[in-house]
Amino acid sequence: AQTVTQSQPEMSVQEAETVTLSCTYDTSENNYYLFWYKQPPSRQMILVIRQEAYKQQNATENRFSVNFQKAAKSFSLKISDSQLGDTAMYFCAFRTPGGGSNYKLTFGKGTLLTVNP
Amino acid sequence: DTAVSQTPKYLVTQMGNDKSIKCEQNLGHDTMYWYKQDSKKFLKIMFSYNNKELIINETVPNRFSPKSPDKAHLNLHINSLELGDSAVYFCASSQTRDGSYTFGSGTRLTVV
Repeated sequence: AQTVTQSQPEMSVQEAETVTLSCTYDTSENNYYLFWYKQPPSRQMILVIRQEAYKQQNATENRFSVNFQKAAKSFSLKISDSQLGDTAMYFCAFRTPGGGSNYKLTFGKGTLLTVNP
Repeated sequence: DTAVSQTPKYLVTQMGNDKSIKCEQNLGHDTMYWYKQDSKKFLKIMFSYNNKELIINETVPNRFSPKSPDKAHLNLHINSLELGDSAVYFCASSQTRDGSYTFGSGTRLTVV
């Protein structure tokens, strides 16, 4: 079974600074997807960024980028120029492609990020 | 708006009651899910349907019964509610060939 570990329950950062959230995962699969989801106080789950394991290039979405290290099974999220609106719970998630019972998103326990003014 | 919508957003009910949560997606996705988020914010899958067929049924009490009348709808019915059922329940959908899930806004269920 796949597992996702987020070792930082809480983090804080000053507005405009950069912060990195850590995520490691365990799988025997070679092809899979990795995601970061954001859950602000509004409770909505928002997709921040996704990475396909077969792609060596790290995904980026505006101020959000990842450092994907496949051999180390590491998938960290970097937030640049942090904004107050980035305050949220961040979840790392893993999924294998295809159908059937493997077709589910497995989440880490989350990291609560607070951006301070 | 294209989205996953679930109703109600809040549900407060007494122990022993039966309640339902409804979910609809207009994204044309072929797979829908129910996730439970506990008080510690941990998200765990409960059920998944692909084209109306149940494909994932995690260890969930029999009091929980999903129903998918068509691939755009996935409802969750809960019988004999217990205090431990209090949580936020999320509906989500995805397309088999794509990895990303789209989530509904969640239903906060409180059993008193």
